[in-house]
Amino acid sequence: QVQLKESGPGLVQPSQTLSLTCTVSGFSLTSNSVHWVRQPPGKGLEWVGAIWSGGSTDYNSALKSRLSISRDTSKSQVFLKMNSLQTEDTAIYFCTRWGPPFAYWGQGTLVTVSS
Amino acid sequence: DIQMTQSPPSLSASLGDKVTITCQASQNINKYIAWYQQKPGKAPRLLIRYTSTLESGTPSRFSGSGSGRDYSFSISNVESEDIASYYCLQYDNLYTFGAGTKLELK
Repeated sequence: QVQLKESGPGLVQPSQTLSLTCTVSGFSLTSNSVHWVRQPPGKGLEWVGAIWSGGSTDYNSALKSRLSISRDTSKSQVFLKMNSLQTEDTAIYFCTRWGPPFAYWGQGTLVTVSS
Repeated sequence: DIQMTQSPPSLSASLGDKVTITCQASQNINKYIAWYQQKPGKAPRLLIRYTSTLESGTPSRFSGSGSGRDYSFSISNVESEDIASYYCLQYDNLYTFGAGTKLELK
C-alpha cells in the first residue's frame, strides 16, 4: 500500500537550514509527484512545493528563494531543504502524493525554529 | 497566485443539522477544487475532488457543488464523527488551500 513518512530534526535554530526527508513505499517516484505541505501549530495548510515524476520542481512563490526539493529514486526518498529559517517557519511538515489531488499523506513531522 | 476565501472560519452545529462551507477563488478554477477533513493530530483526509466527486469511503451525507469562482461543501445530518476542521484546495493553477473552517458541536 501507499505510504509516506517524513523525518528530520525537530528543532532548528533561526537563520539555519532545514533538511527533511520523505521516504515513500508502494509507488514509484518516477511515475508520481510528491509535494510538501506545512501547517503552523493551530493554523491552516500551506502548499510548499513539489517534485514531479520527471524530476522537475515547482515552489510556492512566497518560499521559492529559500527552497529546494530533490529526490533519490533509488532510495525512494524526496528531500526538502529550506534556508534562512525564521520562527514563522515553525510548522508540521507533511509530504503527500498527488492523487489527484493530494490523496495520500505522511503523518507529518513538527519542526520548531527556536534558539 | 490564486487566492481562496473560505467561510465561515468556524461553525457551531447540533447533531442532525445541515452545514455549508463556501470557498471563493480569485479567478475561475474550472471546478478543480477538493475538500479535506482534518482532525487534531492527524493528516488531512481527502473527502471530495473535482467539486463533487466523493472519494471512496466518504459518506453520502457529504456533498460539493459549484462552478467558476464559487464553490460550496455541505454536510447533511451532522454526526459526532464529523467534528473536525475542513479545508478547500484549488488545484487548477498550482495549489492553494482555504483558511479552514472549524466545525464544533453546539
